[in-house]
Amino acid sequence: DGGITQSPKYLFRKEGQNVTLSCEQNLNHDAMYWYRQDPGQGLRLIYYSQIVNDFQKGDIAEGYSVSREKKESFPLTVTSAQKNPTAFYLCASSIQGAGFNVLTFGAGSRLTVL
Amino acid sequence: KQEVTQIPAALSVPEGENLVLNCSFTDSAIYNLQWFRQDPGKGLTSLLLIQSSQREQTSGRLNASLDKSSGRSTLYIAASQPGDSATYLCAVSPYNNAGNMLTFGGGTRLMVKP
Repeated sequence: DGGITQSPKYLFRKEGQNVTLSCEQNLNHDAMYWYRQDPGQGLRLIYYSQIVNDFQKGDIAEGYSVSREKKESFPLTVTSAQKNPTAFYLCASSIQGAGFNVLTFGAGSRLTVL
Repeated sequence: KQEVTQIPAALSVPEGENLVLNCSFTDSAIYNLQWFRQDPGKGLTSLLLIQSSQREQTSGRLNASLDKSSGRSTLYIAASQPGDSATYLCAVSPYNNAGNMLTFGGGTRLMVKP
């Protein structure tokens, strides 16, 4: 079945450590996105990528980095520069240029800083 | 900057009631509006997408309307069931970005009691 796989589902990090969240899709979607969700709040866009080897900052990119070396993969690194990284992270993808932009989401990764 | 607000933040109703969830946005220059469902600790599932030129979309017991000029959308759920219990989020995409930069509301947490 086609979909988006995020791993790990839960992740604990000590302060000062970088961690990488994985996002893989087999939907043949061109565009991929990373969102952050805090309790009781809407999703905020961290980074998005419309094509391989290209990506743009979203509203809250500081302290995060991404890469898009393959169409299927869009990993997110939470660096030690991110001051408040504890949150629920969601990866999504969509068909580029379809004009409809229905997003397909992964199940999310919950990061907790100890 | 686009702002999306959802009221109420939480809603509890008895099974069988018809209910309306509200979404308002400050900038009417939108490309489309989407309604999503999120179960606890999970990713989002797209329910309905309304293009800016459309007035409403229907899927089963769900009906979403859009009044772009007044910056409002409503999600109508008919004959609510306990399985409808979830958080419902709306999101708008700006006209000049064709859907890549969604702005989300904070969501309405719905509980339908048997």
